[in-house]
Amino acid sequence: DSGVTQTPKHLITATGQRVTLRCSPRSGDLSVYWYQQSLDQGLQFLIQYYNGEERAKGNILERFSAQQFPDLHSELNLSSLELGDSALYFCASSISGTSTDTQYFGPGTRLTVL
Amino acid sequence: GIQVEQSPPDLILQEGANSTLRCNFSDSVNNLQWFHQNPWGQLINLFYIPSGTKQNGRLSATTVATERYSLLYISSSQTTDSGVYFCAVSHTGGFKTIFGAGTRLFVKA
Repeated sequence: DSGVTQTPKHLITATGQRVTLRCSPRSGDLSVYWYQQSLDQGLQFLIQYYNGEERAKGNILERFSAQQFPDLHSELNLSSLELGDSALYFCASSISGTSTDTQYFGPGTRLTVL
Repeated sequence: GIQVEQSPPDLILQEGANSTLRCNFSDSVNNLQWFHQNPWGQLINLFYIPSGTKQNGRLSATTVATERYSLLYISSSQTTDSGVYFCAVSHTGGFKTIFGAGTRLFVKA
């Protein structure tokens, strides 16, 4: 158990809908990261937050948004869902959010868009 | 951006055999991690190893940063070693983490 929690574990929804994925980092970690793992794209970095502020942005679609709250949990919002958004979404956390940090991954949320 | 290549893409081993997985990267890095994704999808940290050599039980890893590669050694493989092994790097001066495509390992009993 990495100490990073994600909810829900599974999510099934329809095209065009909007969902919110939640992540709680390890105790003491200030930075959270979101990743998408799909069969065709592999593991892709989406976005990183540090202490409530966006720090780095990767291949995140405009339909997707995220935020980190004062209690340091983070939410990833996915809207106007398409079939291709079906994937495993991981959250990771680290202490200081620098590139030399070790990242610890949560169990993931498996999203299925029908 | 930085490119990460892992080899081999697939590997089948008989239980008890040893193996070496390779990760090549195209630019200087200040972070390199090896992960194991088990059949249930969980990503498990194996090593944080931007340079040097580390060992943890039957696993060890070596990164030669000047030559831009890292190796993961698995000795006396067990069926529970099955899964996908990922190498992930962060570019020196950057924040994004780039994952390789992984090596899929199957250990037969």
